[in-house]
Amino acid sequence: NAGVTQTPKFRVLKTGQSMTLLCAQDMNHEYMYWYRQDPGMGLRLIHYSVGEGTTAKGEVPDGYNVSRLKKQNFLLGLESAAPSQTSVYFCASRGGSTRPPTGELFFGEGSRLTVL
Amino acid sequence: AQKVTQAQTEISVVEKEDVTLDCVYETRDTTYYLFWYKQPPSGELVFLIRRNSFDEQNEISGRYSWNFQKSTSSFNFTITASQVVDSAVYFCALTETSGSRLTFGEGTQLTVNP
Repeated sequence: NAGVTQTPKFRVLKTGQSMTLLCAQDMNHEYMYWYRQDPGMGLRLIHYSVGEGTTAKGEVPDGYNVSRLKKQNFLLGLESAAPSQTSVYFCASRGGSTRPPTGELFFGEGSRLTVL
Repeated sequence: AQKVTQAQTEISVVEKEDVTLDCVYETRDTTYYLFWYKQPPSGELVFLIRRNSFDEQNEISGRYSWNFQKSTSSFNFTITASQVVDSAVYFCALTETSGSRLTFGEGTQLTVNP
């Protein structure tokens, strides 16, 4: 059982380039999240989705866009990468019978992005 | 708005010492859930525990124990007889039942030296 899978695991970009991070989950979870992790700042929520076709802004959404065209996939896009977006990105999903769910998040392994 | 504070940025102990990681939270909800995650040097995030706001019983799992005190809005984590393999970043997190988000603290880097 793969759980949550992120691709790519590593990427180096030049300032101004664009890229997309893909997150896929096979647990049939409704809720999906993108976080970024920076030293001393913990995990900060970028965007999240409460179901297929929906997205919402988190704490630090600027410079990112997301899409949830299929329930199992949640894409994070950087249209014009900046050095401040150098970070480790984590995708997570969450299930459960309550709405909103209150269970734990299941995380992917992370994607390390460097913007030069 | 919900907030989680882990005031200890780094802690260093010697193997077999007991260590407590502090977590203080803020929320306006009466119903909420608290979590602890571990992030070892390999980088993945490992779920440790989830507690709801109505259950203030302390919990013990092997060398790990959690002390939830609603009166002080704290959910502290103690490792007894620490081991080198406990070296990791530990995150405390909070979710309100009225919202969809899980808010994390800044994390505490624990180093256990042999």
